Amino acid sequence: ETGVTQSPTHLIKTRGQQVTLRCSSQSGHNTVSWYQQALGQGPQFIFQYYREEENGRGNFPPRFSGLQFPNYSSELNVNALELDDSALYLCASRSGTGVSGNTIYFGEGSWLTVV
Amino acid sequence: GESVGLHLPTLSVQEGDNSIINCAYSNSASDYFIWYKQESGKGPQFIIDIRSNMDKRQGQRVTVLLNKTVKHLSLQIAATQPGDSAVYFCAENNNAGNMLTFGGGTRLMVKP
Repeated sequence: ETGVTQSPTHLIKTRGQQVTLRCSSQSGHNTVSWYQQALGQGPQFIFQYYREEENGRGNFPPRFSGLQFPNYSSELNVNALELDDSALYLCASRSGTGVSGNTIYFGEGSWLTVV
Repeated sequence: GESVGLHLPTLSVQEGDNSIINCAYSNSASDYFIWYKQESGKGPQFIIDIRSNMDKRQGQRVTVLLNKTVKHLSLQIAATQPGDSAVYFCAENNNAGNMLTFGGGTRLMVKP
């Protein structure tokens, strides 16, 4: 167990709808990042939050947005869902901002299916 | 659970043999590398990491080798067990960024 918990584990949405995914980071970890993993591929970085502010973003459109709360938990919001948004969404947490040397722990992910 | 690796390169080994999984990375500025194991329906699980100032690091039954000259990373698993069956990803990072860049993954199948 990594101590990173995500909810919901599975959900189905209709194209055009909005979705919110939630993540509770490991105790003491103030940095949370989100990744999208399409079937058969490696995870792709969406963005990262440190102390409630976004401090890094991958190549994803603005309809992907997020929040981090004072207790370091986080949300990923996706608006105007498209069929290609169907994927496993992974939350990862660690202590500090620099990746090097800080072990990154992943949750089990939220499977999103857009129909 | 759902599979995350339907069309990945596959390495098939006999139980008890050693496994070697290879990864090529593209960014010469990357200075930190991690190997993850992902079982079906689960998130990536940290296995071992290595910094660019090292060329070898050993863990329990696993060894990571880094060749910066040819930008190549490998994961060696000793005495492979059925529980090692999973998809393995390498990931790289450079100090300028906060993100991990993952490789495409390799499926390891262990035959009893």
